[in-house]
Amino acid sequence: EIVLTQSPATLSVSPGERATLSCGASQSVSSNLAWYQQKPGQAPRLLIYGASTRGTGIPARFSGSGSGTEFTLTISSLQSEDFAVYYCQQYNNWPYTFGQGTKLEIK
Amino acid sequence: EVQLVESGGGLVQPGGSLRISCAASGFTVYNNYMSWVRQAPGKGLEWVSIIYSGGDTSYADSVKGRFTISRHKSENTMYLQMNSLRPEDTAVYYCATRVTSVWPTLDCWGQGTLVTVSS
Repeated sequence: EIVLTQSPATLSVSPGERATLSCGASQSVSSNLAWYQQKPGQAPRLLIYGASTRGTGIPARFSGSGSGTEFTLTISSLQSEDFAVYYCQQYNNWPYTFGQGTKLEIK
Repeated sequence: EVQLVESGGGLVQPGGSLRISCAASGFTVYNNYMSWVRQAPGKGLEWVSIIYSGGDTSYADSVKGRFTISRHKSENTMYLQMNSLRPEDTAVYYCATRVTSVWPTLDCWGQGTLVTVSS
């Protein structure tokens, strides 16, 4: 099973600033990596797939990069609605696995 | 509009069984890959099971042999039959699928149904 490790566990950033979240894989997943956002009491929302392709309706301030074992999600200018938990997910090998999440909180 | 609605969650004793459902509208369950993903209280996400468009299925090791995913064509509904339930199966269970993204990413989710396994 591929283990995804997200860092940091919690990230405190001020609105308007840039946030950078990391996801490392225990073995290569090529570009088969997605990012999800989850707010309290809500289902996850797909942000990025294929490591760098934004999902339908996702604002351009969200961008993804990386391949192989190291990936990054960048939010260029944080809005109030962006404070949430973010998960990476690999779909290179079954079982498809999620990282443990990064909580993005207001500084 | 594509919509998924889960139902059937509740309280069940350890060792018991429960079947949860996911009713779809706006697309056909039978022609699509469908998934169940769960989230234990205060924890992260775990992909539980997949049913592929051709009917093949996959399960996480944690539920293999105890859970069965299925679908009903005329009802346009997916199911998860859960047997020999354990306290560690307590979670919100989401059904999810891909609509505009690539499989197996999940860009359409239901609201979730809570399953609690406790005596």
